[in-house]
Amino acid sequence: GEDVEQSLFLSVREGDSSVINCTYTDSSSTYLYWYKQEPGAGLQLLTYIFSNMDMKQDQRLTVLLNKKDKHLSLRIADTQTGDSAIYFCAESIGGSARQLTFGSGTQLTVLP
Amino acid sequence: DAGVTQSPTHLIKTRGQQVTLRCSPKSGHDTVSWYQQALGQGPQFIFQYYEEEERQRGNFPDRFSGHQFPNYSSELNVNALLLGDSALYLCASSLRSGSYEQYFGPGTRLTVT
Repeated sequence: GEDVEQSLFLSVREGDSSVINCTYTDSSSTYLYWYKQEPGAGLQLLTYIFSNMDMKQDQRLTVLLNKKDKHLSLRIADTQTGDSAIYFCAESIGGSARQLTFGSGTQLTVLP
Repeated sequence: DAGVTQSPTHLIKTRGQQVTLRCSPKSGHDTVSWYQQALGQGPQFIFQYYEEEERQRGNFPDRFSGHQFPNYSSELNVNALLLGDSALYLCASSLRSGSYEQYFGPGTRLTVT
């Protein structure tokens, strides 16, 4: 079955690194995604990783995938106050952007 | 290049009424998916439209129906509204082949009283 889990809250100091974790249960997941949602807004696609990759880096964002443990993480370097938002992990089964299954989201608070 | 657009932004309906939400996909995209996001939760997949047909459906009752037009825009219809239908309804667009990205619109906030 499909199930994506995330911790609910994370607080970091401005300038520190943030690490948001996610676990999923469906071993047939093909793509795993990170989305950002600011208050009252839709979801912004941050990055995604194919299941045969271990790591993907995109500017301040680093995604790590441990397929054996079904664990995904998003590291934000030099976290800024503008990074405060809810971050969702999502998995897609099959290719061509099939339906996404989302976690409940992690509320990231960046303290000055 | 316009992103995904949705209308209206907010909507208030009474229990038992019917509602129609609209979505225009990102330019060049041919697939539209609809999600329901209840307060404090992650989005849940309702259904996906491609070539004017419903291709996949999540665990939602038949009160939820949709349509896709030849220009790829889409509508979500909900009949016999319940209080529990109050949520943010998100539309996501993607390209059926060769792309693994789904882009979301700003959503329609539906309140059922």
